[in-house]
Amino acid sequence: QQPVQSPQAVILREGEDAVINCSSSKALYSVHWYRQKHGEAPVFLMILLKGGEQKGHEKISASFNEKKQQSSLYLTASQLSYSGTYFCGTETHGGSQGNLIFGKGTKLSVKP
Amino acid sequence: EADIYQTPRYLVIGTGKKITLECSQTMGHDKMYWYQQDPGMELHLIHYSYGVNSTEKGDLSSESTVSRIRTEHFPLTLESARPSHTSQYLCASSFPLGGVSGYTFGSGTRLTVV
Repeated sequence: QQPVQSPQAVILREGEDAVINCSSSKALYSVHWYRQKHGEAPVFLMILLKGGEQKGHEKISASFNEKKQQSSLYLTASQLSYSGTYFCGTETHGGSQGNLIFGKGTKLSVKP
Repeated sequence: EADIYQTPRYLVIGTGKKITLECSQTMGHDKMYWYQQDPGMELHLIHYSYGVNSTEKGDLSSESTVSRIRTEHFPLTLESARPSHTSQYLCASSFPLGGVSGYTFGSGTRLTVV
């Protein structure tokens, strides 16, 4: 079942923060986050496994609440390069049986 | 440098033609996938493979077929193209134990059927 992302779109000024949410009605094994710029392929940002861990990559971090089957992506002090569409992908099984089902995406626009 | 290659990058073809979209990866990944994506929209899983001689249909019904004869190669074929097949097709691959790495996507093939 497709995860639900919110919000659908966000407009920020450089330096502002944003949070993108991803929730599922099914028990999750993992949550992936990807960013896709216009006309390009999605690029992997990070993966979170069940266990409620939080990961970070420079000023982009994410958390996974296993009880709520919800993940959030945090973008702090946004830069122009952060613009793009962010997709979460969820797996209900790990290992060789897992496949990613993607949400509808959140379009992020960072203005100067 | 790209580790997963898709050809052609763009394709315009007439209705009823047979086409094959190529996808190859050099990372030794066992798992490979085909996603369909309309511009600015979500990605729909149409086919996947766990390894050689393994192919499965994804969540989105598709009239295409795939094959996996070699680990590195996962072509997608449309026997008779129709305008409804116009879309972008993205190939991806990953290690079986996806816990430490994500999917690597190719640059995609933008298909237009006229």
